[in-house]
Amino acid sequence: DQQVKQNSPSLSVQEGRISILNCDYTNSMFDYFLWYKKYPAEGPTFLISISSIKDKNEDGRFTVFLNKSAKHLSLHIVPSQPGDSAVYFCAAPDYNTDKLIFGTGTRLQVFP
Amino acid sequence: GAGVSQSPRYKVAKRGQDVALRCDPISGHVSLFWYQQALGQGPEFLTYFQNEAQLDKSGLPSDRFFAERPEGSVSTLKIQRTQQEDSAVYLCASRPTRTGANVLTFGAGSRLTVL
Repeated sequence: DQQVKQNSPSLSVQEGRISILNCDYTNSMFDYFLWYKKYPAEGPTFLISISSIKDKNEDGRFTVFLNKSAKHLSLHIVPSQPGDSAVYFCAAPDYNTDKLIFGTGTRLQVFP
Repeated sequence: GAGVSQSPRYKVAKRGQDVALRCDPISGHVSLFWYQQALGQGPEFLTYFQNEAQLDKSGLPSDRFFAERPEGSVSTLKIQRTQQEDSAVYLCASRPTRTGANVLTFGAGSRLTVL
């Protein structure tokens, strides 16, 4: 049972445009969400997070939106840059055990 | 060190061999996690240490997998009698606190290929 889902394995966006990466979750007990970014041959690095008491969190070009009723969150990157090309993972800490549960990732490619 | 260090970065093993993967977390970090990432998948939890205590090993796929952190710093993940399905990237992550502040710092991973 996959509690965190990223249904789009890949996304291709032109430089300067908006990238929107989506994530759905099934466990209503999740109260905090994180996005990690991963380049090839490197470990995932933390990008941005959001608490369930908010519906939006912004950090520079990155904004995460949370829709609790739909159990859906999205990461917006504006404007997209070629250096943003990476795999993006959505994650949530398990309520009982504190371990992070990851989605399967979305590979973003930003082309000139 | 400045980050989480893992070694070896790449390991090729013949089926049936034992392997040991090492993780040096950020100095002073209390919590240490091991994750397994198969090709095309997200990281999947294996086990969790708080200092030297292994508090959760529910993600270890079989009794061939064993992890330790005897002095509360360096950790080793050992896989006995490796199988082809063990081929994956093994990621180690640490964080300074016991709970909360769930931002983990990951190492670059150890890629294991079992032939």
